[in-house]
Amino acid sequence: NAGVTQTPKFQVLKTGQSMTLQCAQDMNHEYMSWYRQDPGMGLRLIHYSVGAGITDQGEVPNGYNVSRSTTEDFPLRLLSAAPSQTSVYFCASTSGGYNEQFFGPGTRLTVL
Amino acid sequence: AQSVTQLDSQVPVFEEAPVELRCNYSSSVSVYLFWYVQYPNQGLQLLLKYLSGSTLVKGINGFEAEFNKSQTSFHLRKPSVHISDTAEYFCAVRPDTDKLIFGTGTRLQVFP
Repeated sequence: NAGVTQTPKFQVLKTGQSMTLQCAQDMNHEYMSWYRQDPGMGLRLIHYSVGAGITDQGEVPNGYNVSRSTTEDFPLRLLSAAPSQTSVYFCASTSGGYNEQFFGPGTRLTVL
Repeated sequence: AQSVTQLDSQVPVFEEAPVELRCNYSSSVSVYLFWYVQYPNQGLQLLLKYLSGSTLVKGINGFEAEFNKSQTSFHLRKPSVHISDTAEYFCAVRPDTDKLIFGTGTRLQVFP
């Protein structure tokens, strides 16, 4: 199993550009989440999904969109990048209940 | 809303010394607590979790944590640290099966 994979590993954008961060898991997990990690703030939940076709907002959803058309994939879209979205983004998945969340290696995004 | 507080942003310690990383959570009827570790430039990895039962929880790499309901704490301990334990440690609470709320993290720096 590859676990949770994320692409790209690094990305630099200009203000106003859009892009999609990719996340995929091969563990047949129903639950998937996106977090952003900023210094001194820990990880904050952006959006999450409890299954294909179902998504919901987390703590900091503004400026981000998600969709879940398949169990495996959970892309995160930045509609119009802003410098405040400079961060490290982590995707995670779990089989549900109170089982372990598995994290991807992260995407480091810089918005100029 | 549930929250997690990690009071120590950095903990420096010499190799083979004991260490305690503190975590306090806001009170709730049901509490599910986790410790994750993040090694440099990597994603998060589960160290241990408390769901119910024994208040002393043993995890990987020789770490353990004790759930203290009266003090609303879930401190992480290791009797003798190694250089390889240098990492950032996150305490987290799971208020429901869909979300994980993280503390701001504690950076453990182990010196030779």
